[in-house]
Amino acid sequence: DAGVIQSPRHEVTEMGQEVTLRCKPISGHNSLFWYRQTMMRGLELLIYFNNNVPIDDSGMPEDRFSAKMPNASFSTLKIQPSEPRDSAVYFCASSFDRGLGGYTFGSGTRLTVV
Amino acid sequence: QQPVQSPQAVILREGEDAVINCSSSKALYSVHWYRQKHGEAPVFLMILLKGGEQKGHDKISASFNEKKQQSSLYLTASQLSYSGTYFCGTEGGDDKIIFGKGTRLHILP
Repeated sequence: DAGVIQSPRHEVTEMGQEVTLRCKPISGHNSLFWYRQTMMRGLELLIYFNNNVPIDDSGMPEDRFSAKMPNASFSTLKIQPSEPRDSAVYFCASSFDRGLGGYTFGSGTRLTVV
Repeated sequence: QQPVQSPQAVILREGEDAVINCSSSKALYSVHWYRQKHGEAPVFLMILLKGGEQKGHDKISASFNEKKQQSSLYLTASQLSYSGTYFCGTEGGDDKIIFGKGTRLHILP
């Protein structure tokens, strides 16, 4: 298996632009998580899906952030409009069986908003 | 409620032991441990479930005290490859993991 695949690896965008981050979970995993990592706040859970259904989005910072999972093999995290404070590494992770085998993280997307 | 990890950073010489602690203010169902190397994704090490247990593989082991809502990660006879940031993640029965801020471990030759 190729693992969790995220794209793009790096994204530099101007303030106010729309940004879309993509994630392909491991086949057969039924839970998907979006985390954001910064030096100040560490790894923050933004939203998670179970069987393609959003279960908890209480970590989404504000309405500028949205996430979708249209099918079991694809998820997106969208920021519109982007702001410099959104600069961070965004990780997608997937798991099976409520995470009893641990989460597998993607390589992350490093987002820089200038 | 983010779990609290201690210490924040550790510097060891190769072959020395280390203990990383993780405590939570809420009841826990499970505790996860991950290691992240600079510029890479976190990698799963192990999970400990409610009921109190110890686990380990190679020279890395962990314990979970459910009553105290604490977990500890033990690294014995540390190797250079153990360098990185260690995160504990706690799960309170709601299927989502909240991570601590991490403990940076640096191993000197």
